[in-house]
Amino acid sequence: GQNIDQPTEMTATEGAIVQINCTYQTSGFNGLFWYQQHAGEAPTFLSYNVLDGLEEKGRFSSFLSRSKGYSYLLLKELQMKDSASYLCAVRDKDTGRRALTFGSGTRLQVQP
Amino acid sequence: DVKVTQSSRYLVKRTGEKVFLECVQDMDHENMFWYRQDPGLGLRLIYFSYDVKMKEKGDIPEGYSVSREKKERFSLILESASTNQTSMYLCASSFVDSYEQYFGPGTRLTVT
Repeated sequence: GQNIDQPTEMTATEGAIVQINCTYQTSGFNGLFWYQQHAGEAPTFLSYNVLDGLEEKGRFSSFLSRSKGYSYLLLKELQMKDSASYLCAVRDKDTGRRALTFGSGTRLQVQP
Repeated sequence: DVKVTQSSRYLVKRTGEKVFLECVQDMDHENMFWYRQDPGLGLRLIYFSYDVKMKEKGDIPEGYSVSREKKERFSLILESASTNQTSMYLCASSFVDSYEQYFGPGTRLTVT
């Protein structure tokens, strides 16, 4: 089975940097994903990590440590439009499932 | 642009009714998924399909069935709706073994 933990809510200031952590336990790891979901909208893909290290994409970066079962999403130069929920998800290799298991999401509020 | 569409944004049904939720994607994706999203629980997988007429149970299939007669269309069926099936239902699709899932806008179903 899989277990994914991430903080429920975070608050940060416009222009600042925020780090959203995600820890997971899975019997067979085959990738970690971050999705962004604005209120009332569909989730949209942000990043994918399958090897250890940092993946950078503009203002967003995602880090993975497979040995620690740990990932974080780093958002730089925060903007008001970054207020959203951020969903951490893992894919399990052992079951051969193509589906993802999601955490409950972190609601980020960016304040002026 | 990938497009995943769902038949309704909002739906109100009575307990015991049979409910059909339709999802259509236009990118020739092999995989299609149905999730439900509830506060504090995140997205949970109900069913997924990796080919026409093929389906696999997700984490919470009880009370639901699915149908995939054509590659582009994946239907979720609530055989006899109950109040605990009040939720946001999200459809997603992806290429086989792709790491990115594309989500539809969601259907908010209320069962009274």
